[in-house]
Amino acid sequence: DAGVTQSPTHLIKTRGQQVTLRCSPKSGHDTVSWYQQALGQGPQFIFQYYEEEERQRGNFPDRFSGHQFPNYSSELNVNALLLGDSALYLCASSSYRAVGYGYTFGSGTRLTVV
Amino acid sequence: AQTVTQSQPEMSVQEAETVTLSCTYDTSENNYYLFWYKQPPSRQMILVIRQEAYKQQNATENRFSVNFQKAAKSFSLKISDSQLGDTAMYFCAPNQGGSEKLVFGKGMKLTVNP
Repeated sequence: DAGVTQSPTHLIKTRGQQVTLRCSPKSGHDTVSWYQQALGQGPQFIFQYYEEEERQRGNFPDRFSGHQFPNYSSELNVNALLLGDSALYLCASSSYRAVGYGYTFGSGTRLTVV
Repeated sequence: AQTVTQSQPEMSVQEAETVTLSCTYDTSENNYYLFWYKQPPSRQMILVIRQEAYKQQNATENRFSVNFQKAAKSFSLKISDSQLGDTAMYFCAPNQGGSEKLVFGKGMKLTVNP
């Protein structure tokens, strides 16, 4: 049973550039959430997608946007990158109708902005 | 805003010992879930144990158990018979707003020594 797959694992971008991160959820899951984890901190919720729509959003600027595809996979896009966007980006999948059972996380994408 | 406090940033124990990780949180909700996740150097967040707030009985998963004190908003994790593979960052996280969205603490680094 495949878990959550994220790509790429690492990437380096320059300030002002745009980046797209990808996530495939665990088989049987229909909801994808994205978290940003700065060095030495706990993850912070960015947003959640279900049925190809953004259902919840955390306290992140509009530079952060996302998309969910019919096969439940998801993308996180960040525009106009800032140095402060350097972090580990975690994708987490779950079942929308089974709240409270927790997420399955991917191994993350380490983004470095220089 | 919901907050989570993990007051011990780092702990070190010997193999086979028992260790307790503390967590307090603030919420205005009555029904919610609480989770402990571990994050080894591989970066993937792994669910350790979950607790349903409406259940008085403390959750147990093999060597892992919790002490849930709802009135005090305390949710500590006890690891018995510590193993080298338990070395990781541990995060406490309640969910928010009846959704799967989690609010994470800053985490605690646990090192199990041989």
